Amino acid sequence: NAGVTQTPKFQVLKTGQSMTLQCAQDMNHNSMYWYRQDPGMGLRLIYYSASEGTTDKGEVPNGYNVSRLNKREFSLRLESAAPSQTSVYFCASTSGRRLSGNTIYFGEGSWLTVV
Amino acid sequence: GQQVMQIPQYQHVQEGEDFTTYCNSSTTLSNIQWYKQRPGGHPVFLIQLVKSGEVKKQKRLTFQFGEAKKNSSLHITATQTTDVGTYFCAGSTSGTYKYIFGTGTRLKVLA
Repeated sequence: NAGVTQTPKFQVLKTGQSMTLQCAQDMNHNSMYWYRQDPGMGLRLIYYSASEGTTDKGEVPNGYNVSRLNKREFSLRLESAAPSQTSVYFCASTSGRRLSGNTIYFGEGSWLTVV
Repeated sequence: GQQVMQIPQYQHVQEGEDFTTYCNSSTTLSNIQWYKQRPGGHPVFLIQLVKSGEVKKQKRLTFQFGEAKKNSSLHITATQTTDVGTYFCAGSTSGTYKYIFGTGTRLKVLA
């Protein structure tokens, strides 16, 4: 049982390049998230998907797009990377069902540096 | 929009001392969760509180949810070096699983 798997683990981008962070969960969860973590800033929600086919902006959505490809996968795309997007990105999921508990399971993180 | 603040941002304690972190939301929450993140790791779920005024204990950790469901606290009794890490609260409003995380409190325990 892999839980939440995100790739790549490390990436260096040049300003203006684009890339997609991939995330998949094998827990049959409805809800998925993308958070970014900067030193001293805690975890900030970028986008949230309550269920397959739905997405909702979080606290810091500018500069990002997401795609909930199916129930398992939720990808995050940077169309034109900027140095301000240097961060650690976490994908996460939770069951999203009322009687199932709301524990959020996180992936291992993706360290992204934009130069 | 919903905002969740935590204080203090950092705390250094001697091993054996107690530690408390406080979490405050700008909006009423349906539930609040607490997570621990070890250095270089990812956040790991500790507990969820749902009811107004709820208090839960896990060994040396005591969690409280405020009466107004807008604040919460985590208290660690007699800290150990294994308690080192950053503690986050996360809250959602009624009817959603959209969790906003607090700013976190980084705990260092000096042996």
